Amino acid sequence: NAGVTQTPKFQVLKTGQSMTLQCAQDMNHNSMYWYRQDPGMGLRLIYYSASEGTTDKGEVPNGYNVSRLNKREFSLRLESAAPSQTSVYFCASSEAGNYGYTFGSGTRLTVV
Amino acid sequence: RKEVEQDPGPFNVPEGATVAFNCTYSNSASQSFFWYRQDCRKEPKLLMSVYSSGNEDGRFTAQLNRASQYISLLIRDSKLSDSATYLCVVNVAGNNRKLIWGLGTSLAVNP
Repeated sequence: NAGVTQTPKFQVLKTGQSMTLQCAQDMNHNSMYWYRQDPGMGLRLIYYSASEGTTDKGEVPNGYNVSRLNKREFSLRLESAAPSQTSVYFCASSEAGNYGYTFGSGTRLTVV
Repeated sequence: RKEVEQDPGPFNVPEGATVAFNCTYSNSASQSFFWYRQDCRKEPKLLMSVYSSGNEDGRFTAQLNRASQYISLLIRDSKLSDSATYLCVVNVAGNNRKLIWGLGTSLAVNP
């Protein structure tokens, strides 16, 4: 009963470094999402994947890329990290229709 | 006007109290509405969906007023464990997969 699993839980990067955040869900959901949460800004959608094989930009996609590797996995890549990308990142998944999201436990990323 | 607005609080209430939160949304075409709770440094968790006719889940009651474009959450008989931030969430009109999140209302239930 893992739900949505994100790795890593914490990460410190230097400016310009790259990294990939991993996300996997075991609920057979079609849709997956990457959000960032910053104080005073709320949750903002970075990218989403409505179904396997498709990805779309959200509200704040600049500086990020995603890959929907298969139905279970959706990764987020920072090619050249910037201090403005310091945030808490959440992956989520959902079934189609009027259903809520299930979130992973988050990745706390600091870029110095 | 922000797309989803909530009173940030904090609401400080004693155990056993009844507390209500409101949330307003700007797009009259939105169709899906949710309340999530988020504990400090944790992920948001779905509390309940909000249906047009209103719905109840134990001590929690959610209502939707489309004419005035607001949704509400009522918590009866508050418990210490209800202390959290409550997020109001509305879908992007025409796209059930994209949600707009309020900044949340902070609730502290005191002994």
